[in-house]
Amino acid sequence: GQQVMQIPQYQHVQEGEDFTTYCNSSTTLSNIQWYKQRPGGHPVFLIQLVKSGEVKKQKRLTFQFGEAKKNSSLHITATQTTDVGTYFCAGSSNDYKLSFGAGTTVTVRA
Amino acid sequence: DTAVSQTPKYLVTQMGNDKSIKCEQNLGHDTMYWYKQDSKKFLKIMFSYNNKELIINETVPNRFSPKSPDKAHLNLHINSLELGDSAVYFCASSQTANTGELFFGEGSRLTVL
Repeated sequence: GQQVMQIPQYQHVQEGEDFTTYCNSSTTLSNIQWYKQRPGGHPVFLIQLVKSGEVKKQKRLTFQFGEAKKNSSLHITATQTTDVGTYFCAGSSNDYKLSFGAGTTVTVRA
Repeated sequence: DTAVSQTPKYLVTQMGNDKSIKCEQNLGHDTMYWYKQDSKKFLKIMFSYNNKELIINETVPNRFSPKSPDKAHLNLHINSLELGDSAVYFCASSQTANTGELFFGEGSRLTVL
């Protein structure tokens, strides 16, 4: 079955630095979504990418979908304390199932 | 108004008991889901209903039984609770079965003693 792998599992970042979390699928995806879950909270949708090679930006967040539609990345620049949380990628093929990666838990050192 | 609401938020119970979690969405969405999040934060889909019809039924013990009385509600009943059932259960909805974002409820933390 479809699997979505996400690395790193943990990311400790100095405030102001950049970091990237990566997502890889064993199969070609029809789309990929990214979610953020704050500590003690619930996952909140950030963005969906559909096209091969697509790049989308939300302020300091840059999302990419690979050319082969098997991988994706989230890059955050100038990390702030508000970026703390767990970032999940989630991919689907054509079977209605959205498979979540294991998440990257981000902590920020002030 | 909360878009996806689930109750109870916390549930502490003994092994062997039966418990239910309720979920309601007021977004007019066709599709609802139950996800289980374990202590390592891994989110695993359990069930999905589209217009009251079961469309996803992952490998879940048959002690777990979902029920969707209408497309705005999806409840989860768990029989004979086990220690390994301790987790946060998230209800979610989406506009249709294969489009767009999931809207998650706030989660129900189940602790089995």
